[in-house]
Amino acid sequence: DSGVTQTPKHLITATGQRVTLRCSPRSGDLSVYWYQQSLDQGLQFLIHYYNGEERAKGNILERFSAQQFPDLHSELNLSSLELGDSALYFCASSVELGVYGYTFGSGTRLTVV
Amino acid sequence: QKEVEQDPGPLSVPEGAIVSLNCTYSNSAFQYFMWYRQYSRKGPELLMYTYSSGNKEDGRFTAQVDKSSKYISLFIRDSQPSDSATYLCAMSYNNNDMRFGAGTRLTVKP
Repeated sequence: DSGVTQTPKHLITATGQRVTLRCSPRSGDLSVYWYQQSLDQGLQFLIHYYNGEERAKGNILERFSAQQFPDLHSELNLSSLELGDSALYFCASSVELGVYGYTFGSGTRLTVV
Repeated sequence: QKEVEQDPGPLSVPEGAIVSLNCTYSNSAFQYFMWYRQYSRKGPELLMYTYSSGNKEDGRFTAQVDKSSKYISLFIRDSQPSDSATYLCAMSYNNNDMRFGAGTRLTVKP
């Protein structure tokens, strides 16, 4: 157990729907990062939050949004889902802006049908 | 051109072999370099962390960074079947967001 908790582990939903993925960072970690991993694109950075504030954005679609709450957990919201959004979504956390690397959760496998 | 290039393999070696995994990158501002190991259906786990150029050794693993060539390597000595996994290189210039390679799938055969 890495200490980073992601729920749910698996999610199957239909095109056009909206889902929310949840991440609880490792105790003491202030940074949360979201990544998308698909077979043909590898691990793609989506967004980074530090202590509740957005710090950096990667290739995140406008249909996707995220936030980090005062208790430091984070949620990634995916809307108007398309078949191509099917992927593994990973959350990672770090103590302080990733200085000592990231700790990843086990991921949420999203299947859009 | 991708910022980080990594040969996806797959790479298959016999037990006990020395494994060499490599990545090249285009952004000369990168200064934090990492290697992650990812087992099937699991999240990546940090193996090695290097700042700037040079070598770092940890047990059977050695990471090398050559910033002048924009090239990083991970060597695994005395490879074991338990080393079978996908290895991802990662790098960043500001630690705000890490750029990952596509990953190399390694199989170590007994």
